[in-house]
Amino acid sequence: KAGVTQTPRYLIKTRGQQVTLSCSPISGHRSVSWYQQTPGQGLQFLFEYFSETQRNKGNFPGRFSGRQFSNSRSEMNVSTLELGDSALYLCASSLQPGLVNEQFFGPGTRLTVL
Amino acid sequence: KNEVEQSPQNLTAQEGEFITINCSYSVGISALHWLQQHPGGGIVSLFMLSSGKKKHGRLIATINIQEKHSSLHITASHPRDSAVYICAVGGATNKLIFGTGTLLAVQP
Repeated sequence: KAGVTQTPRYLIKTRGQQVTLSCSPISGHRSVSWYQQTPGQGLQFLFEYFSETQRNKGNFPGRFSGRQFSNSRSEMNVSTLELGDSALYLCASSLQPGLVNEQFFGPGTRLTVL
Repeated sequence: KNEVEQSPQNLTAQEGEFITINCSYSVGISALHWLQQHPGGGIVSLFMLSSGKKKHGRLIATINIQEKHSSLHITASHPRDSAVYICAVGGATNKLIFGTGTLLAVQP
């Protein structure tokens, strides 16, 4: 069974641009969560999607948004990029939503904002 | 004070040693996760616990709900165990809250 895939793996953008990251969950997994990892703040929860609905959102500005498609694939978008948005963005999938389900992480997308 | 505290932050061990990493949390939780992150970023879920103890190979994870504390033990450590180990808890907010991680280096 293929694991969680994320594209692209690396991305360089400049301030003010926008970016879209993609996550394909493990086949059969319907829940996708997104996380941001930076050296200063560590891992932080961004959002969780299940059945095309956002179930939960972390403490991030409205520039961060996401969506989930009917095939459970998810995208996250960051608009008006800032230098501080440089981070490793990870997605994780699980069979069901909620925190009592094992999460399977993708390899991440490393975003650099110049 | 962070809601999830890990200790130690850095740990160097010799191959074969028994290793313990601790995680304390201050919120009510529904589950606690132990994650492993190798250089390059990939994260692997090692354990998910809501009570008691779990074992997988040389890894053992325990949790004491009353004391709000969990430990990850590695027996017969090996250089390939070198990684960052992260504790994460899921509570009433239904969001995972992460510890800052423990950087483990196992020397041959």
